Amino acid sequence: AQTVTQSQPEMSVQEAETVTLSCTYDTSENNYYLFWYKQPPSRQMILVIRQEAYKQQNATENRFSVNFQKAAKSFSLKISDSQLGDTAMYFCAFMNPKGAGNMLTFGGGTRLMVKP
Amino acid sequence: GAVVSQHPSWVICKSGTSVKIECRSLDFQATTMFWYRQFPKQSLMLMATSNEGSKATYEQGVEKDKFLINHASLTLSTLTVTSAHPEDSSFYICSALPRKTLPEQYFGPGTRLTVT
Repeated sequence: AQTVTQSQPEMSVQEAETVTLSCTYDTSENNYYLFWYKQPPSRQMILVIRQEAYKQQNATENRFSVNFQKAAKSFSLKISDSQLGDTAMYFCAFMNPKGAGNMLTFGGGTRLMVKP
Repeated sequence: GAVVSQHPSWVICKSGTSVKIECRSLDFQATTMFWYRQFPKQSLMLMATSNEGSKATYEQGVEKDKFLINHASLTLSTLTVTSAHPEDSSFYICSALPRKTLPEQYFGPGTRLTVT
């Protein structure tokens, strides 16, 4: 079974600065997907970024980018120019497309506070 | 596009009664829908995977007779909490997997259930 670990329960960053959220996972699969989801106080889950394991290039979406280290099974999220609206819970998630039902395995989450 | 709705957004019910939560994909067909439970300040816990026209697959430890899931069409799945108890109070989130695209799941806004 896959496991996803987020070792930072809480983090804070000053507005406009950069912050990196850590995520490690364990799998014996070679092809899989990794995601970062954001859950603001409204509790609506929002997809931030997706990475396919077969792609060596790190995914980027505007101020959000990942550092995907497949051999190390590491998938960190970097938020540049942090904004107050980035305050939220962030969940790292793993999906094995060959697995039953394409289910997501979530990490425990990191609570990010962006301070003015 | 890719909007998932949940109804109701919050519900209060008395112990011993049943409550039904609906999850709808508004602008796409979903062969698979997922039901999660989330306790305060915790991650999402997968309860069951629901495939259209077939029986749901429940995760270990989830009582199938208590949490009835029906996926009657490609756009609707329902979760019925039967004989609710206060310990069933939680935030329930559904997600939907579009038929033609992988691997993103689209999440509903969640339903807060309080059992008194």
